[in-house]
Amino acid sequence: KNEVEQSPQNLTAQEGEFITINCSYSVGISALHWLQQHPGGGIVSLFMLSSGKKKHGRLIATINIQEKHSSLHITASHPRDSAVYICAVESFQGAQKLVFGQGTRLTINP
Amino acid sequence: NAGVTQTPKFQVLKTGQSMTLQCAQDMNHEYMSWYRQDPGMGLRLIHYSVGAGITDQGEVPNGYNVSRSTTEDFPLRLLSAAPSQTSVYFCASSYGGRAYEQYFGPGTRLTVT
Repeated sequence: KNEVEQSPQNLTAQEGEFITINCSYSVGISALHWLQQHPGGGIVSLFMLSSGKKKHGRLIATINIQEKHSSLHITASHPRDSAVYICAVESFQGAQKLVFGQGTRLTINP
Repeated sequence: NAGVTQTPKFQVLKTGQSMTLQCAQDMNHEYMSWYRQDPGMGLRLIHYSVGAGITDQGEVPNGYNVSRSTTEDFPLRLLSAAPSQTSVYFCASSYGGRAYEQYFGPGTRLTVT
């Protein structure tokens, strides 16, 4: 079993829909990262969380440390949100090493 | 700031050739890392550095070598390229060791024939 599991692996929705992407992990962590990767493009950091909730524009990220679970929400989705969303965790042990989920491919149709 | 830069963007190598992927950052970040991204798999850590002169192995270090002579630069060397090293390579940096935002380079797409 991977240390970081994302669901769903693929998600297609219509413009305007509310989107939820889930991330579960099995190790103790010091932080969790949500990243975005556009087709053929680089990777950008969306959020870094160690507790609670963060919001940036239409994006909201939450984390439940006790349940080892995080969610990324997109409100009023738009075709430009189409991308791969990647969850990554930093474990407590050792120097900063990220363990990545396999990513969720999101497609928003107009 | 240019952020994290990588060169080249694309490279084709023949089996057995060697080459260096360049990575540089201008944010005075201590932590730098190299990852590879393969279809169907998450990003995997190859090597990382916690500061100039200090490097360590990640999850998939075999066939790769790194050095960190300056804070800004963190090159990745392929010693003898193999088809299994066909991948997209990303360099990343962050200010500190834990719970700091990650900055990624644009990636290098490497094909080994």
